[in-house]
Amino acid sequence: SQQGEEDPQALSIQEGENATMNCSYKTSINNLQWYRQNSGRGLVHLILIRSNEREKHSGRLRVTLDTSKKSSSLLITASRAADTASYFCATDTSGTYKYIFGTGTRLKVLA
Amino acid sequence: EAGVVQSPRYKIIEKKQPVAFWCNPISGHNTLYWYLQNLGQGPELLIRYENEEAVDDSQLPKDRFSAERLKGVDSTLKIQPAELGDSAVYLCASSPGGSSYNEQFFGPGTRLTVL
Repeated sequence: SQQGEEDPQALSIQEGENATMNCSYKTSINNLQWYRQNSGRGLVHLILIRSNEREKHSGRLRVTLDTSKKSSSLLITASRAADTASYFCATDTSGTYKYIFGTGTRLKVLA
Repeated sequence: EAGVVQSPRYKIIEKKQPVAFWCNPISGHNTLYWYLQNLGQGPELLIRYENEEAVDDSQLPKDRFSAERLKGVDSTLKIQPAELGDSAVYLCASSPGGSSYNEQFFGPGTRLTVL
């Protein structure tokens, strides 16, 4: 079973534009992580945000977390063709060490 | 630093045959995960090890799936017998352990096709 649901399922943008994808989850969490998956490198960890944090930045990535709405968003600024991949959120339900992945957003960045 | 190693990368078998996947985690990582990923879906946890102990195998179909992590390092996931619905990518991941704030490092996966 998947706890998280990413929205949109697919997104196509032009290089240089910003990409925003959302993740909603069902139960209380300890932390939420975002991962990227492409055919070349497999699943790669991008960023982790703890349940007591509201926003976090890493390079061109900005993640927000709203625990009252049980949702998170990932913003990629100034997108590049190399950002083309599927993006997944993963939640660790209240310290269980059990990560549940969402269904993913397939991002395509057109050069 | 070497990443998580999995083998084989691809496997094609007939239904009812056995199959085994091998994973070598990053050195020093105590926590090891096996996930199953169907096409267009996110990974789903099958089993989690802390050192050599399987601490969460609630999602592992134990009638046909088994796993082991001898000496708390390498791990093997086995399916016997395989069914058509087992066709998927099997991912292994590891993390340092000891905290739920650790990121997971994933291997390239084994793509299984059951004919």
